[in-house]
Amino acid sequence: KAGVTQTPRYLIKTRGQQVTLSCSPISGHRSVSWYQQTPGQGLQFLFEYFSETQRNKGNFPGRFSGRQFSNSRSEMNVSTLELGDSALYLCASSENYEQYFGPGTRLTVT
Amino acid sequence: GQQLNQSPQSMFIQEGEDVSMNCTSSSIFNTWLWYKQDPGEGPVLLIALYKAGELTSNGRLAAQFGITRKDSFLNISASIPSDVGIYFCAGQLTNFGNEKLTFGTGTRLTIIP
Repeated sequence: KAGVTQTPRYLIKTRGQQVTLSCSPISGHRSVSWYQQTPGQGLQFLFEYFSETQRNKGNFPGRFSGRQFSNSRSEMNVSTLELGDSALYLCASSENYEQYFGPGTRLTVT
Repeated sequence: GQQLNQSPQSMFIQEGEDVSMNCTSSSIFNTWLWYKQDPGEGPVLLIALYKAGELTSNGRLAAQFGITRKDSFLNISASIPSDVGIYFCAGQLTNFGNEKLTFGTGTRLTIIP
């Protein structure tokens, strides 16, 4: 099976802009989770989607949102970007609670 | 956000040495996962533990789920150069379909030539 894919791999945006990141899970996996990784805060849970419904949400502001499509692909959106949003954004798909991560999208906000 | 206490923060070892790292939490989990992350890549799942007291091996790796459900240990035997990277523990409370992972602070493993 192909692994989790994320696009784009790298992104540079300006403060105030918005960004959309995409994740394609492993075939057959219905749960997709998103995490933010920064040197200061480590790996932090953003949200999880299962069968197109947000099932769990971390402690991030409303500027961070996501959705899942009927084919389990997921997108994450960040509006009104701030410098502190610079991070590696990781997507994970899971089966039986074992989460498998994609390579991440490195977002730099200038 | 919450992070689990993972120690040591970094390790400098020689090739062939054994490695031990652990992770502790103030709350219980019913699943523990161990990941390895290489620079510029996402974490790769090494071992999953589902039962308190469980000891699971994967080649040279062995991990245990603490009996209190608040800790876990990872051991690597006879380290080799490709073991270099950052190791993360992650706890999960899998009730009501909860997939959220709470990660440890990471252990950076370096092999001294």
